[in-house]
Amino acid sequence: DTGVSQDPRHKITKRGQNVTFRCDPISEHNRLYWYRQTLGQGPEFLTYFQNEAQLEKSRLLSDRFSAERPKGSFSTLEIQRTEQGDSAMYLCASSTNGGTGELFFGEGSRLTVL
Amino acid sequence: AQSVTQLGSHVSVSEGALVLLRCNYSSSVPPYLFWYVQYPNQGLQLLLKYTTGATLVKGINGFEAEFKKSETSFHLTKPSAHMSDAAEYFCAVSEQTGANNLFFGTGTRLTVIP
Repeated sequence: DTGVSQDPRHKITKRGQNVTFRCDPISEHNRLYWYRQTLGQGPEFLTYFQNEAQLEKSRLLSDRFSAERPKGSFSTLEIQRTEQGDSAMYLCASSTNGGTGELFFGEGSRLTVL
Repeated sequence: AQSVTQLGSHVSVSEGALVLLRCNYSSSVPPYLFWYVQYPNQGLQLLLKYTTGATLVKGINGFEAEFKKSETSFHLTKPSAHMSDAAEYFCAVSEQTGANNLFFGTGTRLTVIP
């Protein structure tokens, strides 16, 4: 399968703990995006990489959140000192440079903070 | 700045009836427009997209949408609903240039009644 893969699919943690999510994009895609989706809402943009460079960050991405894409391939999203409000589905997507803007999404990583 | 409004968070139709899901957008530049579908426990899947050219676009599973610039709309239709169409549908907009990050509406949950 050559789609976008995310790991873990589900994570339950206690408030104050750190969590990390991993995303493996489609191999030839140089753009990678993180979105957050809460119940009853559409996905909200968090951040975007072109190759290893993080080019844009949303105001939603507080200083407890950090994303990396060290070699321009897979990416990690870390949340430090989790809060109950961080409970959400974290979606990763990838795309080619330019093109017609279509993003290819993974199945998401669901975070529950107790 | 871009934004998307989806009228009706829940839509119910009978099997075989017309499906109409509404989407209005705002964008300061010519937009790319998308409809994504999300089945339970699955990732977002592209249904169709408008980039340039023909304003009536056809997608997978018999869906189509028409870009109407004067109405800033991109409504999704299907002539005859099938049980398998039950899902959540998201309209999204992005700029034709730039990072291509998508701005999503809040989604419409489609229920198909047998």
